[in-house]
Amino acid sequence: GESVGLHLPTLSVQEGDNSIINCAYSNSASDYFIWYKQESGKGPQFIIDIRSNMDKRQGQRVTVLLNKTVKHLSLQIAATQPGDSAVYFCAEKSEKLVFGKGTKLTVNP
Amino acid sequence: DAGVTQSPTHLIKTRGQQVTLRCSPKSGHDTVSWYQQALGQGPQFIFQYYEEEERQRGNFPDRFSGHQFPNYSSELNVNALLLGDSALYLCASSWGQGARQPQHFGDGTRLSIL
Repeated sequence: GESVGLHLPTLSVQEGDNSIINCAYSNSASDYFIWYKQESGKGPQFIIDIRSNMDKRQGQRVTVLLNKTVKHLSLQIAATQPGDSAVYFCAEKSEKLVFGKGTKLTVNP
Repeated sequence: DAGVTQSPTHLIKTRGQQVTLRCSPKSGHDTVSWYQQALGQGPQFIFQYYEEEERQRGNFPDRFSGHQFPNYSSELNVNALLLGDSALYLCASSWGQGARQPQHFGDGTRLSIL
C-alpha cells in the first residue's frame, strides 16, 4: 500500500545552522510532492512543491530534493531561524494527497 | 485575499450526536478536500469535492458525509459520533480537481467528543 514516512520524528538545530528533513515514500505512482509546515494551533502551511520530472527545486531559504530511484524526498532549510520551529510534513500525491507523520523541528537560540 | 476559513474553531459534542463543520475556500479555488488529523499524526484524507460532487474518498465510514455548494464552500457532516472521532478537522482548497497544484489549508476545527 501507499505510505509516506519520515526518517526522524524530531530534529534540534542551532539558530543559523542548516536543517535537513528527510522523507521516504513508497508509492512509485506518485508524481507530485509537497512540504508543509504546521505551527501549533494552525493548519499546514504550504512551503514548496516538486513534480516528479524534477530532482531539485529552490525557494526562499528552502530547497527540496527528490530522488525517485530510492523514493526519497528532503527539505533543506538554510540559516534556520527560531520562527522555523514547527512540525514539517511531506505529502505525496498520485490520486489523493497522503501525508507522513511529521518531523518536529526545534531551533535553539 | 482571504485564505481558507473554517467554522467553528472548537466544538464539543457527546457520543451519538451529529456535527456539521463548514469551510470557505480560498478565493479562486474550486476544489475542497477534508482531512482528519489526530494528535501527533499527519492529516488523513477524508474526501474531496469538485463541481458539487464527491470525487474521491479515503478510508472513512459512511458516517462521514459532505456537501459542496455552488459558491464552492463545503460542509463536513459526521453522524453517530464516536470517541475516536475527536480530532482536528482540516479543510483544504485548490484549483482544479486533478491539477498538480498545492492545497491550501485552513486552521481547522478542533472537535472533542465526550
